[in-house]
Amino acid sequence: GQSLEQPSEVTAVEGAIVQINCTYQTSGFYGLSWYQQHDGGAPTFLSYNALDGLEETGRFSSFLSRSDSYGYLLLQELQMKDSASYFCAVQLNSGYALNFGKGTSLLVTP
Amino acid sequence: DTGVSQDPRHKITKRGQNVTFRCDPISEHNRLYWYRQTLGQGPEFLTYFQNEAQLEKSRLLSDRFSAERPKGSFSTLEIQRTEQGDSAMYLCASSLGTGSNEKLFFGSGTQLSVL
Repeated sequence: GQSLEQPSEVTAVEGAIVQINCTYQTSGFYGLSWYQQHDGGAPTFLSYNALDGLEETGRFSSFLSRSDSYGYLLLQELQMKDSASYFCAVQLNSGYALNFGKGTSLLVTP
Repeated sequence: DTGVSQDPRHKITKRGQNVTFRCDPISEHNRLYWYRQTLGQGPEFLTYFQNEAQLEKSRLLSDRFSAERPKGSFSTLEIQRTEQGDSAMYLCASSLGTGSNEKLFFGSGTQLSVL
């Protein structure tokens, strides 16, 4: 089985940096993904870590440490449009499903 | 439009009625997923198709739920004898199917309200 834990809410100021953590308990998985979802919108893919370390895509970076069962999404130079929900997700070695955490609601304030 | 499309966008039904949703994936994608999402929660996996074969179903999926992908293109999700607890956003996603941990492309979903 698997369990993904994320903070439910995070608030940050425009222009700042914010880190959204994801801790997990799972018996084996291919990698850690991150998705963004605006209110009323569809989830959209942000980042994927197959190996330990940092992956950078523009203002967004994602990190994975399998030994610590931990990952995070780092958002830099926050913009108002970054206000959304962010989900970490894993695909277990035993199946095809991508399993999502409950999500973190990020509010960016002026 | 090359994205994943779902129909209808909204469905209101009375308890006990049957409903059917349709998903048209991105044309070259052979993998198709159905998810359910309620307010404040992450998407919950329901079922997965590779081409026309249904390869995985959630153990939580009631027998009232059935999904098909008859020609490996579009898919339908049917809920029989709907209950108020079925009220949720039903999301469809597709992916290319080139390896593990695919990048999923989601549709905008069908919002179901059971009265």
